[in-house]
Amino acid sequence: AQSVSQHNHHVILSEAASLELGCNYSYGGTVNLFWYVQYPGQHLQLLLKYFSGDPLVKGIKGFEAEFIKSKFSFNLRKPSVQWSDTAEYFCAVTTPNNNDMRFGAGTRLTVKP
Amino acid sequence: GAGVSQTPSNKVTEKGKYVELRCDPISGHTALYWYRQSLGQGPEFLIYFQGTGAADDSGLPNDRFFAVRPEGSVSTLKIQRTERGDSAVYLCASSLIDTDTQYFGPGTRLTVL
Repeated sequence: AQSVSQHNHHVILSEAASLELGCNYSYGGTVNLFWYVQYPGQHLQLLLKYFSGDPLVKGIKGFEAEFIKSKFSFNLRKPSVQWSDTAEYFCAVTTPNNNDMRFGAGTRLTVKP
Repeated sequence: GAGVSQTPSNKVTEKGKYVELRCDPISGHTALYWYRQSLGQGPEFLIYFQGTGAADDSGLPNDRFFAVRPEGSVSTLKIQRTERGDSAVYLCASSLIDTDTQYFGPGTRLTVL
């Protein structure tokens, strides 16, 4: 079964710093990839997704992620973070024939004003 | 439009009791998913419905857990003889079709004393 690894458990940045959160998955076949965000006290919201096509995916709020098939990675990036980006970020994977979404353990991002 | 709703938002119960958690998916979404999220972890898949039938219940931890979706819309997750280890946030998600993006509800925080 596929698994998802998020290497950073807690990241602390100052405003305007650049962000990259790592995500690696173990499944070797075709995958669908997602990044979800959970702001304090709120529910999971979709940031961006990759199903096929251009491996550089742009999402909401200035986030983007790059699918690198050879590295089994789907890292999340943002050039300049804001205090309002403080949240928990989850990487997730599904496969075309398997509907259970596998999540990483999450990365908590704290942006200092 | 209205998102996925879950009730109650919080449930405190005693060990050994029976609980029901309700999920109202986004109108028109045929696929419905239940996940469980423990502290410091990503959501863990429990069960998936396509219409009224459970298409994949491989994530249910044991036979104390079961879920129904009798009319293909609202779903109820039922936990018998609750144990302290069942304490978690139970998340529901829905999608338009089973290969589409999943949209999450706010969750029900279950505490078993």
